[in-house]
Amino acid sequence: DQQVKQNSPSLSVQEGRISILNCDYTNSMFDYFLWYKKYPAEGPTFLISISSIKDKNEDGRFTVFLNKSAKHLSLHIVPSQPGDSAVYFCAARALYNAGNNRKLIWGLGTSLAVNP
Amino acid sequence: NAGVTQTPKFRVLKTGQSMTLLCAQDMNHEYMYWYRQDPGMGLRLIHYSVGEGTTAKGEVPDGYNVSRLKKQNFLLGLESAAPSQTSVYFCASGWTNEQYFGPGTRLTVT
Repeated sequence: DQQVKQNSPSLSVQEGRISILNCDYTNSMFDYFLWYKKYPAEGPTFLISISSIKDKNEDGRFTVFLNKSAKHLSLHIVPSQPGDSAVYFCAARALYNAGNNRKLIWGLGTSLAVNP
Repeated sequence: NAGVTQTPKFRVLKTGQSMTLLCAQDMNHEYMYWYRQDPGMGLRLIHYSVGEGTTAKGEVPDGYNVSRLKKQNFLLGLESAAPSQTSVYFCASGWTNEQYFGPGTRLTVT
């Protein structure tokens, strides 16, 4: 039962255009959302995050939008560059073990290919 | 500043063998985590630690044990490997909101 869903396993975009990666979630108790990027043979690296009290967060070419009513978030990359080609994971933070501990629930990832 | 390192990078085990995966971080983080990544399953939390000398179970702890004797090290042990433990294992450290990952260990159990 996937609580965080990335329904597009792959996406192909031309260099310079916008890349839009989508993520849906089912648990309204998630309070923080994150995007990680992963290159082959490397661990994921943190990219950008957004609190559930906001609807937008921007960092350079990367913007994350959160629509709480639709339980949907998206990552926009503008302009896309060949070096952005990687797998992008969406993750959501949840309380765990009925205490103050929190854990991340991860989506399956979307593989982005930016073509020159 | 190496960040998070993992050893070994690759390993092949026979069913029933044991091994220990080592994770080390030089960022003075309290929190450390072990994940496994399997096709179609995403990243799943095996065990985690909120500080030296403490460990706790994650989503899929069965068949694994961990120890955090030193703040900078988090060890993941497989006492009796099974083919179902074939996976890529990632260690991470840092707050939940911003975790730093190691490069992963690819483990195959035959």
